[in-house]
Amino acid sequence: NAGVTQTPKFQVLKTGQSMTLQCAQDMNHNSMYWYRQDPGMGLRLIYYSASEGTTDKGEVPNGYNVSRLNKREFSLRLESAAPSQTSVYFCASSERGGGALYEQYFGPGTRLTVT
Amino acid sequence: GESVGLHLPTLSVQEGDNSIINCAYSNSASDYFIWYKQESGKGPQFIIDIRSNMDKRQGQRVTVLLNKTVKHLSLQIAATQPGDSAVYFCAEKLEVQGAQKLVFGQGTRLTINP
Repeated sequence: NAGVTQTPKFQVLKTGQSMTLQCAQDMNHNSMYWYRQDPGMGLRLIYYSASEGTTDKGEVPNGYNVSRLNKREFSLRLESAAPSQTSVYFCASSERGGGALYEQYFGPGTRLTVT
Repeated sequence: GESVGLHLPTLSVQEGDNSIINCAYSNSASDYFIWYKQESGKGPQFIIDIRSNMDKRQGQRVTVLLNKTVKHLSLQIAATQPGDSAVYFCAEKLEVQGAQKLVFGQGTRLTINP
């Protein structure tokens, strides 16, 4: 199993450009999440999807949109990138009753720079 | 708002010594906590978890202690090794509309001195 995969690994955008970060998991998990991580800070939740067909805002949703394409895939879109969105983005998935109660499995991250 | 945080941003220990990483949480209703390890350039990786009905839980070379009275969580790593160098995050679980949400602390960077 690949676990949680993310593409791309690195991206540089100019202010105002748009892009979509892709995430897929092969663990048959119902819940998926998008976080951002800024230097010296923990992970902050952008959006999450409790199950296929549902999405909800997290702590810092402004400037982002998400799509739960199917059970495996959860994408994050920046419609008009801003320098404040320079960050490392992590996707995660989870399933209740797994090996550890409520454990979230993380992807390797996408490093995004907006100039 | 309520948040999870860490007392120290950095910790340096000698190889072979024990490490203790601390975490304070403010949501008294939190019933589940996780410690994650994040190595440079990688995503966070699960280390150990603990429910609020427990005071202590042990894993392989790691122990998590929970003091609900003062809302404090700690991660103890025995016989620290170079491979333990990483940033360690505590997180508390919130459940909203059927989804598990984790609130993360800022992280503590653990450095191992040879």
